[in-house]
Amino acid sequence: DVKVTQSSRYLVKRTGEKVFLECVQDMDHENMFWYRQDPGLGLRLIYFSYDVKMKEKGDIPEGYSVSREKKERFSLILESASTNQTSMYLCASSLSFRVSGNTIYFGEGSWLTVV
Amino acid sequence: KQEVTQIPAALSVPEGENLVLNCSFTDSAIYNLQWFRQDPGKGLTSLLLIQSSQREQTSGRLNASLDKSSGRSTLYIAASQPGDSATYLCAAPERGGADGLTFGKGTHLIIQP
Repeated sequence: DVKVTQSSRYLVKRTGEKVFLECVQDMDHENMFWYRQDPGLGLRLIYFSYDVKMKEKGDIPEGYSVSREKKERFSLILESASTNQTSMYLCASSLSFRVSGNTIYFGEGSWLTVV
Repeated sequence: KQEVTQIPAALSVPEGENLVLNCSFTDSAIYNLQWFRQDPGKGLTSLLLIQSSQREQTSGRLNASLDKSSGRSTLYIAASQPGDSATYLCAAPERGGADGLTFGKGTHLIIQP
């Protein structure tokens, strides 16, 4: 069965802390994504990666960085957490969308509260 | 940049009704479109993926259609059940073939028992 696992479901961090959100997929997918989801704004793409050590900025990369040292793992890093980064973060993975029949699989989400 | 709009934002209907959720997108040069379901506090689950060469795709009581020329997709739910209550999102690929998806803000569906 397809599996995207986000290691932390609920986190509470203080302003200024460095925060790591970890995501692992077991499907040997090339693509991995980080989205955040906020009421009224929907899902917004933060960063994505189409290969190991490769990364591309999404729509809202400011304040975030990512790391992809291994194919199965994609980490989202908040260098200095701020209250406006309180959100639900969703990790996803897929084979290339340009190949027909490929869909995207999501993790369960990580709820981050910055106080 | 791709923009995806979903109408209505919320919908509440009695159990048993057939219903239609609408999705429109601005860039019709897409190679597929996907519909997802999201339960409260959970991640997204893919329901249907329609390739650009297809006009519709069916899974059980769900049927999704795609009209690229008009930039529209619809999700039809037959004989709705309380378990169908969730938020439904559609997503289209970004222009230029990049592998990111742009999501609509979803339709929050409540099926009344």
